[in-house]
Amino acid sequence: GENVEQHPSTLSVQEGDSAVIKCTYSDSASNYFPWYKQELGKGPQLIIDIRSNVGEKKDQRIAVTLNKTAKHFSLHITETQPEDSAVYFCAASKGDDKIIFGKGTRLHILP
Amino acid sequence: ETGVTQSPTHLIKTRGQQVTLRCSSQSGHNTVSWYQQALGQGPQFIFQYYREEENGRGNFPPRFSGLQFPNYSSELNVNALELDDSALYLCASRPPTGVTEAFFGQGTRLTVV
Repeated sequence: GENVEQHPSTLSVQEGDSAVIKCTYSDSASNYFPWYKQELGKGPQLIIDIRSNVGEKKDQRIAVTLNKTAKHFSLHITETQPEDSAVYFCAASKGDDKIIFGKGTRLHILP
Repeated sequence: ETGVTQSPTHLIKTRGQQVTLRCSSQSGHNTVSWYQQALGQGPQFIFQYYREEENGRGNFPPRFSGLQFPNYSSELNVNALELDDSALYLCASRPPTGVTEAFFGQGTRLTVV
């Protein structure tokens, strides 16, 4: 069935360094790939997304890349800050269909 | 803030009881979907409503049911609660048509004892 794999499950980086989270998806018909940040006690917050007709997208310190052939997509956070500490979810969907989430990456920014 | 509001924020129920959770979608959003998020896991799709009709359902039993109202707000009903139903229940809304972003509410934390 449809599946999204996410790695690593936990990531610790020094403040100011970069963090990379990688995901793979199984359904080749997926055409929309959002990333969500979830802080304790809150719902997931959309931070960036990419559509299948684009290979890369950047928004300030956050960038996402998509390799449709390999069915891989990644989140890159540069110049990490303490407020980046949270759980990050990658996800995939087809148009306005259900969103399939990865299991999440807990990101710790070390002082 | 996304403009998607859920109530209540927390709820404790006894096994076998029934529960209703509510969601108000963001203004102009006519698609509402519900997700269950167990502790330490990603959200799992329960079902989706578009213009008051269910138009997608995940791998959840029939005791999970829902409604969408003309103002696009929605309810999630769960009958015969089980201990494993303890989770964060999330509502998400999307604007009309196409490949569009989904915005989540803060969730309802349901504990079944």
